[in-house]
Amino acid sequence: EIVLTQSPGTLSLSPGDTATLSCRADQSVYNSFLAWYQQKPGQAPRLLVFGAYGRATGIPDRFTASGSGTDFTLTISRLEPEDFAVYYCQQFDTSPLTFGQGTRLEIK
Amino acid sequence: EVQLVQSGAEVKKPGDSVKISCRVSGYSFVDSYIHWVRQAPGKGPEWLGLVDPDDGEAIFADKIQGRVNITADTSIDTAYMHLSSLLSEDTAVYFCVRGKEQLSQLDHWGQGTRVSVSS
Repeated sequence: EIVLTQSPGTLSLSPGDTATLSCRADQSVYNSFLAWYQQKPGQAPRLLVFGAYGRATGIPDRFTASGSGTDFTLTISRLEPEDFAVYYCQQFDTSPLTFGQGTRLEIK
Repeated sequence: EVQLVQSGAEVKKPGDSVKISCRVSGYSFVDSYIHWVRQAPGKGPEWLGLVDPDDGEAIFADKIQGRVNITADTSIDTAYMHLSSLLSEDTAVYFCVRGKEQLSQLDHWGQGTRVSVSS
């Protein structure tokens, strides 16, 4: 199975900053079949962006995904208070679907 | 509006079984897959398996195969996950999730069902 490693474990930033979250796979994820989710305490994960260009309904364009092969990035620009949460990457190139261990984005 | 509504929290003892339901609405049940994902406290999500409601075919993660079964009842637009021989390590929140394909992003999640396994 594809193992996804996210970094950093915790990211401390202020509203208005830009967040850069990394997701590295131990083997190539073809066709950028990777998704990013946001999770707040006590809630289910919420799909943000997926694939090369996909964005879930209602997700602002401040959230952008990039990368290919084994290295992927989620960039969140102009951080707003509601963006502080845990973020997970997930690959859907190969079965089984796998997730990273998460990056916690906290207010500095 | 797409909704997936799961059954309530469960408290079980080691060796017990648990069955969680997931009723969907707002879309055609047979047009997408239902995946099951769990999340242990403080951990990332873990994919457990899926069912194709159209034909009932199910696929399971190797780690849990033999203890899990996933089914779908198209007459009531409801999917089920049955997990047997429970271990303390099965303590987690279990989610049903819609996916367009067997391999896809997961676009709509149930609210989660907390399963606690303790002697």
